[in-house]
Amino acid sequence: GAVVSQHPSRVICKSGTSVKIECRSLDFQATTMFWYRQFPKQSLMLMATSNEGSKATYEQGVEKDKFLINHASLTLSTLTVTSAHPEDSSFYICSARTSGGYEQFFGPGTRLTVL
Amino acid sequence: GQQLNQSPQSMFIQEGEDVSMNCTSSSIFNTWLWYKQDPGEGPVLLIALYKAGELTSNGRLTAQFGITRKDSFLNISASIPSDVGIYFCAGQLILGNEKLTFGTGTRLTIIP
Repeated sequence: GAVVSQHPSRVICKSGTSVKIECRSLDFQATTMFWYRQFPKQSLMLMATSNEGSKATYEQGVEKDKFLINHASLTLSTLTVTSAHPEDSSFYICSARTSGGYEQFFGPGTRLTVL
Repeated sequence: GQQLNQSPQSMFIQEGEDVSMNCTSSSIFNTWLWYKQDPGEGPVLLIALYKAGELTSNGRLTAQFGITRKDSFLNISASIPSDVGIYFCAGQLILGNEKLTFGTGTRLTIIP
């Protein structure tokens, strides 16, 4: 149980285009989902916390207009990278917390490459 | 944002050796977690620590929550090839509902 999936697993896009990444909790309901970014050989850095039915809370330095987060249901959160640039190339990982639970379950990540 | 400092940054060991790594913070956390990340994958939880001074084992893994709440260590005994990967500590200020702050990571390599 407690499986989190991400789609796509990898995506390559041209500079200036927008990319949407999906995060799904497959066998549980997640009131809270988290989005992380990980650059090569670096740690995970939290970008934003996504709560179902409300606006996401962004970490300092993360542009909310560039990284649009939508958590419209208890099993799905989406991250849209708008007008992507090469410096946005990174490994994006989501996690989901069960309602009333403590542990965050991580997805397998999405590797974004912007040409 | 804040990061936790892990040491060593990388380790090269032979199969069968024991491994020890630690994580330190300038501020207090109320929960300490240890994760393992394989290449191209998301992190997987290994051990969770909820109480200062707590010592918890999970198979060959043992972790401790420092008394000061500012550090934690992870030991792996009798390493095997599948232990290869990057180990991250993470701190959580408020149990369950708060964001995780990740450490800088320790990369473990096993020399044949």
